[in-house]
Amino acid sequence: AQSVTQPDIHITVSEGASLELRCNYSYGATPYLFWYVQSPGQGLQLLLKYFSGDTLVQGIKGFEAEFKRSQSSFNLRKPSVHWSDAAEYFCAVGDLYAGGTSYGKLTFGQGTILTVHP
Amino acid sequence: SAVISQKPSRDICQRGTSLTIQCQVDSQVTMMFWYRQQPGQSLTLIATANQGSEATYESGFVIDKFPISRPNLTFSTLTVSNMSPEDSSIYLCSVEVYRARDTQYFGPGTRLTVL
Repeated sequence: AQSVTQPDIHITVSEGASLELRCNYSYGATPYLFWYVQSPGQGLQLLLKYFSGDTLVQGIKGFEAEFKRSQSSFNLRKPSVHWSDAAEYFCAVGDLYAGGTSYGKLTFGQGTILTVHP
Repeated sequence: SAVISQKPSRDICQRGTSLTIQCQVDSQVTMMFWYRQQPGQSLTLIATANQGSEATYESGFVIDKFPISRPNLTFSTLTVSNMSPEDSSIYLCSVEVYRARDTQYFGPGTRLTVL
């Protein structure tokens, strides 16, 4: 069965500093990988996704993630963090479903809470 | 994308009672899913709501406890039955739309507290 590990439960950075959130996955085939962000009291918003092709994926809000098959990792990065980025971030892997037409069965990591100091 | 609404947004219930959560989407979708997020935990898939047929439940979740309906392509309900304090969680609906069948969009969630 697939699994996702986010080693860092809580990360604190200063505003303007760079950010990297770690994600490691376990999946038997080519993974479909996602990063979501959850602000307090809000639902989940998709930041970016990787299916195939270029291993460096650009997302919304200035985020990017790099897929490294050799390390089974899909780390999220941002060169300069803004105070509004404070939230909880979830990495997820999608599993084939409905005869291969959907990757809707998402397995989530435990989440990383990001605190941004002014 | 899809705009998803959930009702109620939050509720406080007594143990032994049931609560039905509604999920409404502004466009037709292929798949609809229900997730649970227990306090301080990640999201766990409860079941996939299939239009016109019974829901498909994940290991550890059963229909008697979490009955699900999906009468059409834009609406689904999840009922949490015979509630106990352990059911206190955020319940989220997510959807996969026809034009973006590789991406899920999440509703705002329903925060349930069981006393």
